[in-house]
Amino acid sequence: KAGVTQTPRYLIKTRGQQVTLSCSPISGHRSVSWYQQTPGQGLQFLFEYFSETQRNKGNFPGRFSGRQFSNSRSEMNVSTLELGDSALYLCASSERGTGNINEQFFGPGTRLTVL
Amino acid sequence: GENVEQHPSTLSVQEGDSAVIKCTYSDSASNYFPWYKQELGKGPQLIIDIRSNVGEKKDQRIAVTLNKTAKHFSLHITETQPEDSAVYFCAASRPSNTGKLIFGQGTTLQVKP
Repeated sequence: KAGVTQTPRYLIKTRGQQVTLSCSPISGHRSVSWYQQTPGQGLQFLFEYFSETQRNKGNFPGRFSGRQFSNSRSEMNVSTLELGDSALYLCASSERGTGNINEQFFGPGTRLTVL
Repeated sequence: GENVEQHPSTLSVQEGDSAVIKCTYSDSASNYFPWYKQELGKGPQLIIDIRSNVGEKKDQRIAVTLNKTAKHFSLHITETQPEDSAVYFCAASRPSNTGKLIFGQGTTLQVKP
């Protein structure tokens, strides 16, 4: 099976702009979680989507949003970019069976730089 | 709140030696504890995980132990090799939040040939 893919791999934006990142999960996986990775804060959970519904949300401002499509592909959007949004954005997919703990498999990430 | 502390932040060993990384979690409801390895320019790779109904799990040169009472879990790598050099992250999640992993700060492991 192909792994988790994320596009684009690198992105440079300026303050105030918005950005959309895309994630394609492993075939058959219905859950997609998003994380932000920075040297100072480490890996922090943004949100999780399962069957097109946001099931869980981390402590990030409303500028960070996401969605999931019927084929389980997910996008996240960051509006009104700030310098502090520069980070590696990772998505992870899992089978996410009801009541089960499922392993999360990460993509390579999208490196966002805000100037 | 939910928190995972990971130590040490850096670890340097000679090839062939063992390496141990320790994590402590704060949420007693946590029941799933994965470990990830992240190489430069790549996403984290799941290397081993343990559930709260198990005290120890092994997979070739790596093992994980869990002490639920003390809320500690550890990663043990034996016979280290240069290709084990990477950043290692521990994480924890609770049953109701299986899509949300709380990560430790990471350990940079250097294996010297």
